[in-house]
Amino acid sequence: DVKVTQSSRYLVKRTGEKVFLECVQDMDHENMFWYRQDPGLGLRLIYFSYDVKMKEKGDIPEGYSVSREKKERFSLILESASTNQTSMYLCASSLGSGANVLTFGAGSRLTVL
Amino acid sequence: RKEVEQDPGPFNVPEGATVAFNCTYSNSASQSFFWYRQDCRKEPKLLMSVYSSGNEDGRFTAQLNRASQYISLLIRDSKLSDSATYLCVVKGGFQKLVFGTGTRLLVSP
Repeated sequence: DVKVTQSSRYLVKRTGEKVFLECVQDMDHENMFWYRQDPGLGLRLIYFSYDVKMKEKGDIPEGYSVSREKKERFSLILESASTNQTSMYLCASSLGSGANVLTFGAGSRLTVL
Repeated sequence: RKEVEQDPGPFNVPEGATVAFNCTYSNSASQSFFWYRQDCRKEPKLLMSVYSSGNEDGRFTAQLNRASQYISLLIRDSKLSDSATYLCVVKGGFQKLVFGTGTRLLVSP
């Protein structure tokens, strides 16, 4: 089975801190994604990447950046965390040129105080 | 109008009941459709794809109605373990999957 691992399940940070969320997948998938999930808003796409060193903005990229230096790893960076970035962050990966089936990691719940 | 809309529920049904959820989408050019299941405090997992001709997987049946722009999920003989949130997912443009906010199902003994 494809495994998508998010390094931190729970994080508590202070406003203004820099936050790194790491995601690693072990099945050589080309595509990787970062979503956030909030009650009543569902999953919203922040950034995605379809190749190493490539990145594309999703629907809500403001306040975030990403890094994909290796195929298996996709990092989400909050340069200066704010309280409105308190959320569940979900990383996902998929195979091939169409993002048809996503495999998600277990999620990282970030609280910004 | 949201791209993908679902009734949030919760749908409360007894074990053994049949329950159906609908999901409407706004982009008539959408090409692919899916149902994902998300258990409480867990990540979403693919339940099934939705094909134009409809498809069935055990107790689960998915249908697509392009004319009215909705997809449906029917669950027969509900089990306690079916309690979860069901997410409707629609693929529009390149690489873009749009998720609904989910419909919560509670199956009681």
